[in-house]
Amino acid sequence: AQSVTQLGSHVSVSEGALVLLRCNYSSSVPPYLFWYVQYPNQGLQLLLKYTSAATLVKGINGFEAEFKKSETSFHLTKPSAHMSDAAEYFCAVSVSTASKLTFGTGTRLQVTL
Amino acid sequence: EPEVTQTPSHQVTQMGQEVILRCVPISNHLYFYWYRQILGQKVEFLVSFYNNEISEKSEIFDDQFSVERPDGSNFTLKIRSTKLEDSAMYFCASSPGLAGGPDTQYFGPGTRLTVL
Repeated sequence: AQSVTQLGSHVSVSEGALVLLRCNYSSSVPPYLFWYVQYPNQGLQLLLKYTSAATLVKGINGFEAEFKKSETSFHLTKPSAHMSDAAEYFCAVSVSTASKLTFGTGTRLQVTL
Repeated sequence: EPEVTQTPSHQVTQMGQEVILRCVPISNHLYFYWYRQILGQKVEFLVSFYNNEISEKSEIFDDQFSVERPDGSNFTLKIRSTKLEDSAMYFCASSPGLAGGPDTQYFGPGTRLTVL
């Protein structure tokens, strides 16, 4: 069985500051890892996914995530936060192509002036 | 850009009534999914569907739930006798079914189901 832990249900950063959202996973087989973003009253949009081709994954809107097997982590970062980044971010894991996604509890990102 | 659509956006029903939530997946996708998100909680997997049959389901997906692809475009989730605890946002997703790597699931905007 697989699971995801997201530390910090709420993260607040100043505009222009570094964004770091934490995700740790548990999986009995090599995982596929994803970050999704949910803006208010909208569905889930894929930010990026880990495909095993490279440990540093670049996504949309300037976000990137690094897969660290030794730490079972897949933290999401962005060098400089923008007001438009305010949303809920979900880390998810699956164990094979087209299998179910198991989501973390989400982290709500607040960006302040 | 193709997207997953869902109707209605909000459904209010009385406890014990049947509801059908509708989804139109992206047209060339092969896998279809339903997830739900109870207010304040995480997104939970319900069921996946491939080649006109259920490929995987969670323990949440009991006999009260069913899915169907009645034609070439729609994908539906039916709840036979709704309970208060079925109140949630229901998301439909579809994926192309690419071999050799993680398949991206594309989500619809959701249907908010309120059971009174």
